[in-house]
Amino acid sequence: DVKVTQSSRYLVKRTGEKVFLECVQDMDHENMFWYRQDPGLGLRLIYFSYDVKMKEKGDIPEGYSVSREKKERFSLILESASTNQTSMYLCASSLPTRKIGYTFGSGTRLTVV
Amino acid sequence: QQQVKQSPQSLIVQKGGIPIINCAYENTAFDYFPWYQQFPGKGPALLIAIRPDVSEKKEGRFTISFNKSAKQFSLHIMDSQPGDSATYFCAARRWSGGYQKVTFGTGTKLQVIP
Repeated sequence: DVKVTQSSRYLVKRTGEKVFLECVQDMDHENMFWYRQDPGLGLRLIYFSYDVKMKEKGDIPEGYSVSREKKERFSLILESASTNQTSMYLCASSLPTRKIGYTFGSGTRLTVV
Repeated sequence: QQQVKQSPQSLIVQKGGIPIINCAYENTAFDYFPWYQQFPGKGPALLIAIRPDVSEKKEGRFTISFNKSAKQFSLHIMDSQPGDSATYFCAARRWSGGYQKVTFGTGTKLQVIP
């Protein structure tokens, strides 16, 4: 079964800490995405990548950065965590074809205290 | 312009009822409209999708109705079951710089009571 795996299910971090969220996919997908999910706001795109070492800002990139050194791995970095970054973070991957369909991971619930 | 507006935010129906979730968009550049289903503790999963040149698509008990002139589309769940209780997201895809970009609605939490 194809998978997108997020390294942590729950994380609690302190304000000001540098936080790494890891995502790995085993489908050889070129495209990878990071979303955050908040009640009433749906899924909002933070960053995406269409190839190794390539990254593009999404709709809400402020306070985040990403790294994609290998095709299967896409990392989201919170440079200095703040309480307003408490959220559910979802990683997704897809093929670059016209055929749509994201495969999502199960999410990481991050709490910043 | 890039938004997809979804309603209602939450919905409770009796088993066997037909919940309807509505979405509206403005940007005519959107060319594909998927729906995702998310169970608690899981990521969203693609449920069904439609292109704007089709007015209706059915897959099992799930039906998308699409009104291109009104820029609206909706999800109907026939003979709903407690196992359908989940959060549903509509979405819309457009192309930008050769890459596809997907905008999601705000989600509808559906509860089907026995």
